[in-house]
Amino acid sequence: SAVISQKPSRDICQRGTSLTIQCQVDSQVTMMFWYRQQPGQSLTLIATANQGSEATYESGFVIDKFPISRPNLTFSTLTVSNMSPEDSSIYLCSVSGQGVSTEKLFFGSGTQLSVL
Amino acid sequence: AQSVTQLDSQVPVFEEAPVELRCNYSSSVSVYLFWYVQYPNQGLQLLLKYLSGSTLVESINGFEAEFNKSQTSFHLRKPSVHISDTAEYFCAVSDEGTSYDKVIFGPGTSLSVIP
Repeated sequence: SAVISQKPSRDICQRGTSLTIQCQVDSQVTMMFWYRQQPGQSLTLIATANQGSEATYESGFVIDKFPISRPNLTFSTLTVSNMSPEDSSIYLCSVSGQGVSTEKLFFGSGTQLSVL
Repeated sequence: AQSVTQLDSQVPVFEEAPVELRCNYSSSVSVYLFWYVQYPNQGLQLLLKYLSGSTLVESINGFEAEFNKSQTSFHLRKPSVHISDTAEYFCAVSDEGTSYDKVIFGPGTSLSVIP
C-alpha cells in the first residue's frame, strides 16, 4: 500500500487568489491523479500527472486554471488559479499501485477548499 | 467512453436488514470494477474490487459484489447492515486496456442505516 500526505488539509481563500496543494507519497509511483469532489457530488478526475511530462487534462479542465507539477516519482502539486466560489471543493490526490494485482488508487485525505 | 451509473442516490434501510446498491457501467472494452466507501468526515477507501477470476468478490466487513458481464452490472450487497455502514458508496470502473490507471467514478449512493 501507499501512504499519501496532502497539504494543506483545508483552506479558506479569497476570490481571485491561487492555492497550491501538495501531494507527497511514501514510495515511488508512476501515475498520480488529481480529483475534485464538489459538495454532495462524486469524484471528477481533473488530470493525470506523469513524471517528466506534461499532465493530461480531462474534458472541462485546462492547464491555465489547474497547473500541475510532477518533479519526481513521489511528489506532485496542483494549483487552483484565480479562484472563484465555484472552485470550493475537496481536492484529492491519488496514486495507482504498481501492476494490476495491487490495489488501485490510494487516496490522500484531501484538501477542503472554500473560496469566499 | 466509460461511464458509471448508480441509480439510487439515497438508500435508507433499517439495521440488520439486507441492502443492495446498484451499479451499472458502460465500456467498449474489458474493465476492472471497484466499490469505494466514504464514511462521514473521512477520506475515500477501497471496499472491494473485481480484476479477474471469480465474479463474486467480498470485503472484510461483509459486503459482496458480483460482476455480471452480460448485464454490465456490479451491484453491492450485504445481508445484514449495521449502523456503522452508514456512508457514501461509489462504484468505479477502470479500462483494463488503458496505458494508465484512470478510474471513473459513479455519482455515489448514500446509505443510511436506521436504528
